[in-house]
Amino acid sequence: DTAVSQTPKYLVTQMGNDKSIKCEQNLGHDTMYWYKQDSKKFLKIMFSYNNKELIINETVPNRFSPKSPDKAHLNLHINSLELGDSAVYFCASSALSSWETQYFGPGTRLLVL
Amino acid sequence: KNEVEQSPQNLTAQEGEFITINCSYSVGISALHWLQQHPGGGIVSLFMLSSGKKKHGRLIATINIQEKHSSLHITASHPRDSAVYICAVQRLISNFGNEKLTFGTGTRLTIIP
Repeated sequence: DTAVSQTPKYLVTQMGNDKSIKCEQNLGHDTMYWYKQDSKKFLKIMFSYNNKELIINETVPNRFSPKSPDKAHLNLHINSLELGDSAVYFCASSALSSWETQYFGPGTRLLVL
Repeated sequence: KNEVEQSPQNLTAQEGEFITINCSYSVGISALHWLQQHPGGGIVSLFMLSSGKKKHGRLIATINIQEKHSSLHITASHPRDSAVYICAVQRLISNFGNEKLTFGTGTRLTIIP
């Protein structure tokens, strides 16, 4: 069974659309994260949730809204998609909020046309 | 200048060689992480360390807090070690114990059979 899963794996969409990426972990972890990896392969933290509460929001535009319906899920909704949003988005989870070993999802490759 | 610098950016070596990847940082940290990103895109957390040295199989990670420097070593390198290795530093961002990860730009390692 996959520990951290993301759907979809690939997402191609037009500028201006709204899209969501889902993330689920079955590890019983308390903390979940969203990362963005740009075209130069540079990883950057976007959000961190601990027990459904937002603890990090790293200067991400308001068009990005994370939603954590329960501890096992952290979804990412993006409004009014822009060309610059094209990237690979990784979800991850860890057992504690102190960034212990993180388990990453396979990534969602988003292409905005 | 990035807060986290890695060197070299690219490294090609013959199978069996001893590999060293370096990471220097310019901020106070609580821990440092090494991650491996496979050619297919998947990310695996290798080490989290705050002092001294950790070993896992053929991988060894060391950190010198005073010098703000960490190294990742691979002994008896193998073509399956070919990947991007990413260093990330963990540091406090608030008085409430919230921490964040800041990533280096990665080192692309290629091991030739």
